[in-house]
Amino acid sequence: GENVEQHPSTLSVQEGDSAVIKCTYSDSASNYFPWYKQELGKRPQLIIDIRSNVGEKKDQRIAVTLNKTAKHFSLHITETQPEDSAVYFCAARDVNAGGTSYGKLTFGQGTILTVHP
Amino acid sequence: DAGVTQSPTHLIKTRGQQVTLRCSPKSGHDTVSWYQQALGQGPQFIFQYYEEEERQRGNFPDRFSGHQFPNYSSELNVNALLLGDSALYLCASSLEGGLGGYTFGSGTRLTVV
Repeated sequence: GENVEQHPSTLSVQEGDSAVIKCTYSDSASNYFPWYKQELGKRPQLIIDIRSNVGEKKDQRIAVTLNKTAKHFSLHITETQPEDSAVYFCAARDVNAGGTSYGKLTFGQGTILTVHP
Repeated sequence: DAGVTQSPTHLIKTRGQQVTLRCSPKSGHDTVSWYQQALGQGPQFIFQYYEEEERQRGNFPDRFSGHQFPNYSSELNVNALLLGDSALYLCASSLEGGLGGYTFGSGTRLTVV
């Protein structure tokens, strides 16, 4: 089955700096890669996603890049703010042997991002 | 527009007991997936329901079972609770195959004592 590795486990930056979180996946057939932000005691919230036919996607201060050959994808947050502090999870949606996706997401272990004012 | 609703929000059970957690999907969604999130870990896929059938299952024992109703709402049942079942249980709804993305509920915090 799919395996997703996420690094680093913790990341501390100063306000205004950039933050980068990296994930690798094992199943080359995976076709959808979302990133979630989870604040303490709250639900995971989708912040950006990318599909396997796209190499990069940007939404204001947040961007995601995908390298299908190397099977890794990264989250980039620029001009970080204290409210960006949270746990960030990457995930990959697998595709079954028949080539269809039922939608199972495999998550990374999470990155605790702390933005210091 | 109602998001995903889960109940109860918190629950304390004793080892060996049984528990039922409930999920109402986002309006317009027909697929419900359940995840277990242990403290400090990423969510782990338990199973997914579509058209009232379990379509895909993760590496969880048969003590974990579920159901989906005609109105797309879903239940997660856990029998013979173990201390290790203590976790946040998340429900995520979507269209079939995850089309359009997934919406997560706020979860049920289960504590087994």
